[in-house]
Amino acid sequence: QLLLQESGPGLVKPSETLSLSCTVSGVSISTTSYRWGWIRQPPGKGLEWIGSIHYKGRTNYKPSLKSRVTISVETSKNQFSLRLSSVTAADTAVYSCARESYSYGIDYWGQGTLVIVSS
Amino acid sequence: DIQMTQSPSSLSASVGDRVTITCRASQDIRNDLAWYQQKPGKAPKRLIYAASSLQSGVPSRFSGSGSGTEFTLTISSLQPEDFATYSCLQHNSYPWTFGQGTKVDIK
Repeated sequence: QLLLQESGPGLVKPSETLSLSCTVSGVSISTTSYRWGWIRQPPGKGLEWIGSIHYKGRTNYKPSLKSRVTISVETSKNQFSLRLSSVTAADTAVYSCARESYSYGIDYWGQGTLVIVSS
Repeated sequence: DIQMTQSPSSLSASVGDRVTITCRASQDIRNDLAWYQQKPGKAPKRLIYAASSLQSGVPSRFSGSGSGTEFTLTISSLQPEDFATYSCLQHNSYPWTFGQGTKVDIK
């Protein structure tokens, strides 16, 4: 069974960098057919796609976040990661990792982790 | 970016009601659309993929239709466990974009 699990600090100070990891179990991250992505949901708001990565390192990002976002992959650990720099309170959200299928959208999600930006 | 306009943003309905939610894309996305159900504190659950294909294990009262720029999710007879928030996702081109969500609550 495919499982995704987010990990990382739940509290980040303004202007600092948010860093999260996603550990994938039950399937190899090194598969051509899928990408591995991050989505967030601010409290009381809708879902926002942040970006995704192919295991070979090709990335796609939401343009409005592109200058602050880095998604990377570590195939040896079956993990991928998100870094979001210069955070503000507007970046407070539940961050979820997910598997993306080119043909069928997002088919697996992690449970999500709440990250609060506050001093 | 492709904009997804979802309506309504919320609705109140009774058990047994037929419910329809719409997503409109700002450009042609063929049938590259999925529908998700989300309950508080839980990960979204995919209901429909490729605009009209029912995800395995999802009750047949859920159905999706449409292609191009207009899509609908229909719940034929609302059940108590269906009170949740529903969102569409276009995966035709990056950046992927979600609709704003529709909260379905009890009338």
